[in-house]
Amino acid sequence: DTEVTQTPKHLVMGMTNKKSLKCEQHMGHRAMYWYKQKAKKPPELMFVYSYEKLSINESVPSRFSPECPNSSLLNLHLHALQPEDSALYLCASSPGQGRDTQYFGPGTRLTVL
Amino acid sequence: AQSVTQPDIHITVSEGASLELRCNYSYGATPYLFWYVQSPGQGLQLLLKYFSGDTLVQGIKGFEAEFKRSQSSFNLRKPSVHWSDAAEYFCAVGPRAGGTSYGKLTFGQGTILTVHP
Repeated sequence: DTEVTQTPKHLVMGMTNKKSLKCEQHMGHRAMYWYKQKAKKPPELMFVYSYEKLSINESVPSRFSPECPNSSLLNLHLHALQPEDSALYLCASSPGQGRDTQYFGPGTRLTVL
Repeated sequence: AQSVTQPDIHITVSEGASLELRCNYSYGATPYLFWYVQSPGQGLQLLLKYFSGDTLVQGIKGFEAEFKRSQSSFNLRKPSVHWSDAAEYFCAVGPRAGGTSYGKLTFGQGTILTVHP
């Protein structure tokens, strides 16, 4: 099973709200990733977790706060977002960080009003 | 810094015709190379990857890609396109060595494929 699940599928939030995106995989992968994809653009890496520790932070604003509570779960906490943060947020996982293939989830479509 | 160029933003082919999507990369050494496909509003699905060995790589759905070191290219091909192949295709590269960028994929801008019946 090479499935990465993401919830919710769609999220609409105001600029003062606090919400969270959830990503889960049961493939035993030890690296997990958050990407942001704007319309008609390629995915851009935001964060990488390796063995539940933050490995890469691509200078993402602090209104995005990642969390990896265990090896199967990855959260992205959202607070005080801006309309320009509206995008498709993709989660991916791989057996390890580096050369391994990254498997992507279906994404969460986020709209910030 | 590594970069990926997909020169064709949009390609239209007829069903049954052959397809080639171009990808060129700029990198200090041979990176890991991937092709992903994305249907509208969906996640990315891996078509194929090149790590080492045979430079002609077979993937899913009848796709193949050829790594050409001398041209820094990794073009995707399919001999006969099906209507269900209509989607956006992304070429991506990842660094081989460790360091702060290890595991970071850099994507090309994507090529949208339209298939006419």
